[in-house]
Amino acid sequence: KQEVTQIPAALSVPEGENLVLNCSFTDSAIYNLQWFRQDPGKGLTSLLLIQSSQREQTSGRLNASLDKSSGRSTLYIAASQPGDSATYLCAVRPASGTYKYIFGTGTRLKVLA
Amino acid sequence: KAGVTQTPRYLIKTRGQQVTLSCSPISGHRSVSWYQQTPGQGLQFLFEYFSETQRNKGNFPGRFSGRQFSNSRSEMNVSTLELGDSALYLCASSYSVPVGLAGGNIAKNIQYFGAGTRLSVL
Repeated sequence: KQEVTQIPAALSVPEGENLVLNCSFTDSAIYNLQWFRQDPGKGLTSLLLIQSSQREQTSGRLNASLDKSSGRSTLYIAASQPGDSATYLCAVRPASGTYKYIFGTGTRLKVLA
Repeated sequence: KAGVTQTPRYLIKTRGQQVTLSCSPISGHRSVSWYQQTPGQGLQFLFEYFSETQRNKGNFPGRFSGRQFSNSRSEMNVSTLELGDSALYLCASSYSVPVGLAGGNIAKNIQYFGAGTRLSVL
């Protein structure tokens, strides 16, 4: 059974700092992995999607890496800003022909001005 | 283009009642997924529909059901509400074209979420 874990659960950093959010999954047989951002009381916004055959994806100040063999993904945020404050969730879609995503519990990020 | 629209945004019901939530996907998207989000359990998959067919179902009791219409709009229904059904219900849409198939690429697998329906059961 696939399980997704995110560490740390919460993180508080000063503005301008580079930071790394971690995501671990127990079964390496995945189709893809997505990183999402959720603002309080709102839905999720997809940040990056990494296909199982890829090693990383980049969008602006965000870079996500994927190491399937070790069951890990990291989201790197460069030069953090107060507007980056949100909960970040990673989600894994298993490779077994399913169309569901299994979500981690998220990392709640606060960037201090 | 318009995003994923969920209605209503807020609902208050009492135990034993039933409720229907609606989700209108982004135009052209044929896949709609539903998730339940609670502080204790996080985001949990309910079901996924594609072209009016349920392709996957999560581990929820039969009180939770859904359907998809020919225009890809989807509804989920919860009967005999319990206190534990209080949650944020999110739907997500995507093109769902596998990478490697004609017209398939990563972008077409991105999930776009609506703002959710917050259900409170009293």
